[in-house]
Amino acid sequence: QVQLVQSGAEVKKPGSSVKVSCKASGGTFSSYSMTWVRQAPGQGLEWMGRIIPFLGITNYAQNFQGRVSITADKSTTTAYMGLSSLRSEDTAVYYCARGVRDGYNRYYDIWGRGTLVTVSS
Amino acid sequence: DIQMTQSPSSLSASVGDRVTITCRASQSISNYLNWYQQKPGEAPKLLIYATSSLQSGVPSRFSGSGSGTDFTLTISSLQPEDFAAYYCQQSYITPHTFGQGTKVEI
Repeated sequence: QVQLVQSGAEVKKPGSSVKVSCKASGGTFSSYSMTWVRQAPGQGLEWMGRIIPFLGITNYAQNFQGRVSITADKSTTTAYMGLSSLRSEDTAVYYCARGVRDGYNRYYDIWGRGTLVTVSS
Repeated sequence: DIQMTQSPSSLSASVGDRVTITCRASQSISNYLNWYQQKPGEAPKLLIYATSSLQSGVPSRFSGSGSGTDFTLTISSLQPEDFAAYYCQQSYITPHTFGQGTKVEI
């Protein structure tokens, strides 16, 4: 059974950067995409971006362009999400999720437990 | 970006009720529509993919329908464990945007 294990909670100062990891265990890695979704306190889900490791392709939401970087290390089956120039509005739980391709559809079937990032001075 | 609009934003229902949640896309997304359930303090859980395909292990009281821009998630007989938030998500084009969520309350 594939599991996604995320790194622990972070507290960051405004203007700094954070890097969250997501390790896939118990299954293949490169055959799937890895997506990052965040959820601010009491709010809905926000898609941030994804990486397709076997193609080396990344896509980012316009809201995060220039601030977010998603990478993957196939040798350690770990994906990373880096976010820079942090502000208080970036306080959220950040989830990684495995993307499955079904024809032209993609869906996210396995999710990490989330990493709380708190941005506070 | 494709905007996804769910209605209602919240609803109150009783155990045994039939519940329907709608999701509208700002443009046609064919059948590239997925539904997730999220309980407080937990990660989202995939319920339905490609509009109407039930994810393995999900009870058959959940069903989905629609195409183009209008979609529905139906819970045929609400159970105590179904009280949660539900999100639709399009995967027609990135960013794979989510609806704002529907909270199903007792």
